Amino acid sequence: GAVVSQHPSRVICKSGTSVKIECRSLDFQATTMFWYRQFPKQSLMLMATSNEGSKATYEQGVEKDKFLINHASLTLSTLTVTSAHPEDSSFYICSARKFLAGARETQYFGPGTRLLVL
Amino acid sequence: GNSVTQMEGPVTLSEEAFLTINCTYTATGYPSPFWYVQYPGEGLQLLLKATKADDKGSNKGFEATYRKETTSFHLEKGSVQVSDSAVYFCALPRSNRDDKIIFGKGTRLHILP
Repeated sequence: GAVVSQHPSRVICKSGTSVKIECRSLDFQATTMFWYRQFPKQSLMLMATSNEGSKATYEQGVEKDKFLINHASLTLSTLTVTSAHPEDSSFYICSARKFLAGARETQYFGPGTRLLVL
Repeated sequence: GNSVTQMEGPVTLSEEAFLTINCTYTATGYPSPFWYVQYPGEGLQLLLKATKADDKGSNKGFEATYRKETTSFHLEKGSVQVSDSAVYFCALPRSNRDDKIIFGKGTRLHILP
């Protein structure tokens, strides 16, 4: 099956620092990757859609200057939380999609990254 | 846009018990619903899906029937196992016009031996 990894699995940082989270598709090429955020006991909320070689598309209410997304290759997308604050503490999940027209369900999810900002 | 509501957990059952996790939705048109499962330490995996009304999705002993009249897609399993302990998410397309998926809040399932 298709495997997606995330690194790191958990990170603790001080307020004001920036944190980079990597999402990799290990055995397939992903033209599109998605970044989600999940608060405790809440559903996954889509933050942005990352397309290889182009700018990410952000959902309403998500600050693009706060959450920088780069999708420089067909197997790697990164999310950088800039100047992190305690309210950014959350569980960040990425997914990757192979290019299959009309196949909405072919998103392969990473295991998530837990971010704690002190 | 569409929305999905699923029963809150955690749900704790004994092995071999019958499982139902309720999922209802509001949507324009007839979206295709899904169930995803997240095992401890792993990413979400597609468990099953349905593509049209009255369609039944099934996988690993789990079943869910897409009921258009009640806008529901309840997940069921006749005899659960300890290895079924996980978080289950009901999901469907956000709208008819895009390929984004929206998720329910997830239901954590604990199966006791």
